[in-house]
Amino acid sequence: EVQLVESGGGLIQPGGSLRLSCSASGLNVSYNYMTWVRQPPGKGLGWVSVIYSGGSTNYADSVKGRFTISRDISKNTLYLHMNSLRADDTAVYYCASPDSSGYLGYWGQGTLVTVSS
Amino acid sequence: DIQMTQSPSSVSASVGDTVTITCRASQDISSWLAWHQQKPGKAPKLLIYSASSLQSGVPSRFSGSGSGTEFTLTISSLQPEDFATYYCQQAHSFPLTFGGGTKVEIK
Repeated sequence: EVQLVESGGGLIQPGGSLRLSCSASGLNVSYNYMTWVRQPPGKGLGWVSVIYSGGSTNYADSVKGRFTISRDISKNTLYLHMNSLRADDTAVYYCASPDSSGYLGYWGQGTLVTVSS
Repeated sequence: DIQMTQSPSSVSASVGDTVTITCRASQDISSWLAWHQQKPGKAPKLLIYSASSLQSGVPSRFSGSGSGTEFTLTISSLQPEDFATYYCQQAHSFPLTFGGGTKVEIK
């Protein structure tokens, strides 16, 4: 059974930094692409970042230059390093991965990041 | 970026009703479309992929259709557990983009 478990969320002041983790079991974080999706309170889903199996990365324009996606293959864990956080980064952050369909069939439970003074 | 426009944003329906949700892509995405269901406080759940393929374990009252730029999710004989928010998502290219969501509420 595949499980993705996010951690690292919390309350952070504007301008601060935070690192989210997504620990994977039942799948290899380097086998396929892994992605972060976020959802502001009461709003819809928004894609944040992707790391492909080969290691290349891509980001939404709203986080480019501030967020960095990475993975530790030895720990089978995905990360999202978030710097220069702003109030509009407040959201539940989900890690997600394709299943055998090739679509986002595996999701973590999400971790809440609140950016506020 | 490919824009995904969903309608309606909300719909009120009764148990046993049929509900249809529409999703429009700003450019041709062939059949690279998924539908996700999300319940309050929970992660999204994949229902339909490749526009019309039913994810394993999903009841057959859910069906998807369409290709190119126009897509539809139909829920036949609505059940109490189907009251949730539904999102379309294009998987044609990054950045992945989602529709704004359709909340299916109890009438």
